[in-house]
Amino acid sequence: QQKVQQSPESLTVSEGAMASLNCTFSDGTSNNFRWYRQHSAKGLEVLVSIFSDGEKEEGRFTAHLNRANLHVSLHIREPQPSDSAVYLCAVSTSGYNKLTFGKGTVLLVSP
Amino acid sequence: EAAVTQSPRNKVAVTGGKVTLSCNQTNNHNNMYWYRQDTGHGLRLIHYSYGAGSTEKGDIPDGYKASRPSQENFSLILELATPSQTSVYFCASGDGGTGRDTQYFGPGTRLLVL
Repeated sequence: QQKVQQSPESLTVSEGAMASLNCTFSDGTSNNFRWYRQHSAKGLEVLVSIFSDGEKEEGRFTAHLNRANLHVSLHIREPQPSDSAVYLCAVSTSGYNKLTFGKGTVLLVSP
Repeated sequence: EAAVTQSPRNKVAVTGGKVTLSCNQTNNHNNMYWYRQDTGHGLRLIHYSYGAGSTEKGDIPDGYKASRPSQENFSLILELATPSQTSVYFCASGDGGTGRDTQYFGPGTRLLVL
């Protein structure tokens, strides 16, 4: 069964500094990776989707995928206090739409 | 823009009672999903559907039933609610494409079972 782990559990960065979040997965056949953001007591907002090794940029959010290392990361350029939220990594395998989520990283951006 | 709504937003139920959580999407997506979110577990898939009339078991289906009477509506039913089902429940719709489904989430329903 797919295991998805995120690190760190929490992260504090200053406004304008780069924020980097990590996600490891256990199933090497996984090919569908998404990063979601969840503000307190709200639903999930999809930030970026990536399906092949390399980099995918969506505005200030960039995902890096290295399937050989079972690792996908999210980098947030010039984070703002409004980016303070829980960031969730979600993974699925080829032919399936079932997502397995990590437990999340709590990001706090201080002014 | 993707629009998934859930009702009720908050619910208090008694142990042994029946609870129905409703989800409506206006995206015309074929796929719909029910998750629960608990501290320490993240989001876990309960049931999902690939279209009207179909329901499939997810990773934690025990104690839950699902119903998809139409493209737009997907319900989660707790026939005999238990305190362990106290959680936040999220519905999502997906834009299709096997393995490439982007899921759009509703705002969630907070359920407290006393």
